[in-house]
Amino acid sequence: GQQLNQSPQSMFIQEGEDVSMNCTSSSIFNTWLWYKQDPGEGPVLLIALYKAGELTSNGRLTAQFGITRKDSFLNISASIPSDVGIYFCAGTSSTGTASKLTFGTGTRLQVTL
Amino acid sequence: DAGVTQSPTHLIKTRGQQVTLRCSPKSGHDTVSWYQQALGQGPQFIFQYYEEEERQRGNFPDRFSGHQFPNYSSELNVNALLLGDSALYLCASSMRRRTDEKLFFGSGTQLSVL
Repeated sequence: GQQLNQSPQSMFIQEGEDVSMNCTSSSIFNTWLWYKQDPGEGPVLLIALYKAGELTSNGRLTAQFGITRKDSFLNISASIPSDVGIYFCAGTSSTGTASKLTFGTGTRLQVTL
Repeated sequence: DAGVTQSPTHLIKTRGQQVTLRCSPKSGHDTVSWYQQALGQGPQFIFQYYEEEERQRGNFPDRFSGHQFPNYSSELNVNALLLGDSALYLCASSMRRRTDEKLFFGSGTQLSVL
């Protein structure tokens, strides 16, 4: 099935550093969401974006819905050890409902002290 | 307020067998969706149930079927299991009529097919 392209695939960063990751699609999406998944758990919603150009923050996390509606970005400021996990972008296209999400390939974040 | 609950947490089956996975949605939610997550991949949409009917389906064969009950809980059935069906199966619930509909996921059922 289709998956969105996320980059980077994985990253090691030091505690306190800022993190940026992005997600791209070949087609337009109406909604972009960012999830975090810890081992043995389901994805947890971090941020939801509903309009092109929208910039939304949730604590140290900031995400943007790209103007072209084909991409989205997630930034994490001042990373801490509990930020470790896999981050997934997800989106809904014009043919799907909000329940039918297309997920990205994931960015694995590892933080070193 | 209980979130999305799934059972069992782990399951081991052999090829050709059938399996049933269960899901209770978050309180107040009326829509249940099922996703398959293979190791190292993002979740893939299987299907969605609303008002006890399958409303949308992803690219999965008919071996995958489901059901939604009047209390909004749901089951995912997989027949004639293949080795490639080994994955984490995630249930997600939402409130369909909200314009900002958001999906909340359970912890999943880890299915191993031997």
